[in-house]
Amino acid sequence: ELKVEQNPLFLSMQEGKNYTIYCNYSTTSDRLYWYRQDPGKSLESLFVLLSNGAVKQEGRLMASLDTKARLSTLHITAAVHDLSATYFCAVSGNDMRFGAGTRLTVKP
Amino acid sequence: DAGVIQSPRHEVTEMGQEVTLRCKPISGHDYLFWYRQTMMRGLELLIYFNNNVPIDDSGMPEDRFSAKMPNASFSTLKIQPSEPRDSAVYFCASSFRRQLQYFGPGTRLTVT
Repeated sequence: ELKVEQNPLFLSMQEGKNYTIYCNYSTTSDRLYWYRQDPGKSLESLFVLLSNGAVKQEGRLMASLDTKARLSTLHITAAVHDLSATYFCAVSGNDMRFGAGTRLTVKP
Repeated sequence: DAGVIQSPRHEVTEMGQEVTLRCKPISGHDYLFWYRQTMMRGLELLIYFNNNVPIDDSGMPEDRFSAKMPNASFSTLKIQPSEPRDSAVYFCASSFRRQLQYFGPGTRLTVT
């Protein structure tokens, strides 16, 4: 059974700092997604990563995928308050599983 | 494009009643997904369609749940009979070739 572990589950950052969210998964997959969700809102797709070594960047967010280690990272550069949200990874293989989410709070 | 449209946005019903949730995907998208989100279970994929054909319904919790996609612009998720544990936010999403998914606003279902 596919299992997805995301950590940390809670992250409080100062503005301007860098940090990384990790997403580990247990079996082979063909793609990995990152999403953002603001409180009480729907989900917004950030990235889809298809192959080993894939790296995608949008603004202050950069996602990467290491299929051999079964690990994806979401790196936040010079955090700003607007990035406060919950971030989910999801792994698609024989089925699709979501991580538990990382609740990010960026403080001034 | 108006994005993914879901209706109703909120539904309150009594246990045992039939509930139908509706979704209109983005025009031109060939994949449609139904998800459920609860505090206890997090986000779960219920079922997805490719070109209107159900591909994987292994996430559908029970026979009380059924989903259809009669054409490229419409899908329904039906719960019959509904139970309090079905209370959740149900999201519909669509994508082109399983690339980035675009989510609807969700339907908040409360079963009393």
